[in-house]
Amino acid sequence: EVQLVESGGGLVQPGRSLRLSCAASGFTFDDYAMHWVRQAPGKGLEWVSGISWNSGSIGYADSVKGRFTISRDNAKNSLYLQMNSLRAEDTALYYCAKDMVAVSSGWETFDYWGQGTLVTVSS
Amino acid sequence: EIVMTQSPATLSVSPGERATLSCRASQSVSSNLAWYQQKPGQAPRLLIYGASTRATGIPARFSGSGSGTEFTLTISSLQSEDFAVYYCQQYNNWPTFGQGTKVEIK
Repeated sequence: EVQLVESGGGLVQPGRSLRLSCAASGFTFDDYAMHWVRQAPGKGLEWVSGISWNSGSIGYADSVKGRFTISRDNAKNSLYLQMNSLRAEDTALYYCAKDMVAVSSGWETFDYWGQGTLVTVSS
Repeated sequence: EIVMTQSPATLSVSPGERATLSCRASQSVSSNLAWYQQKPGQAPRLLIYGASTRATGIPARFSGSGSGTEFTLTISSLQSEDFAVYYCQQYNNWPTFGQGTKVEIK
């Protein structure tokens, strides 16, 4: 059974940093691209960042470019999101999501999602 | 960035009726289009990918169509468990989502 479990969320002051983690199990982690998607309270879904299966391709939404860094540790079956210079508008539930197609040359749709970890940026 | 626009924002439908949701892309995404369902307090669930292929375990009452810039999700006969928010997503380039369509009970 595929499981994605996010952690690391919490209350943080504007301008500070936070690191999110996503522990994956139930599939061959290093074969799949992974993503972070966020959802502000009462709002829609926003893709934040993605990383290919071999870390050769990485992308960011314009809203987080230069502040957030995605990474993965295939030996630990884990995905990370380092978030720096946090702003109030970064407040959201952050989901970890798995690409559907293994060893893809591009991006695919997301077939499994975690339950999310809540990040609140407030003074 | 490819902008995805969904319509309507809210759709009021009676149980048993058909629901038709639209999604438009600001430029062609070929058939690299997915639909998700999200219920309150839950993560999104993949319904359709490749514009028209149902994901594993998705009932046949859900169908998707379209290509290029115009897409449609049809729920043929709404069941009580189908009242939710639906999002389209393109993955032809860096992924982007539409703003969602809420399907509510009429």
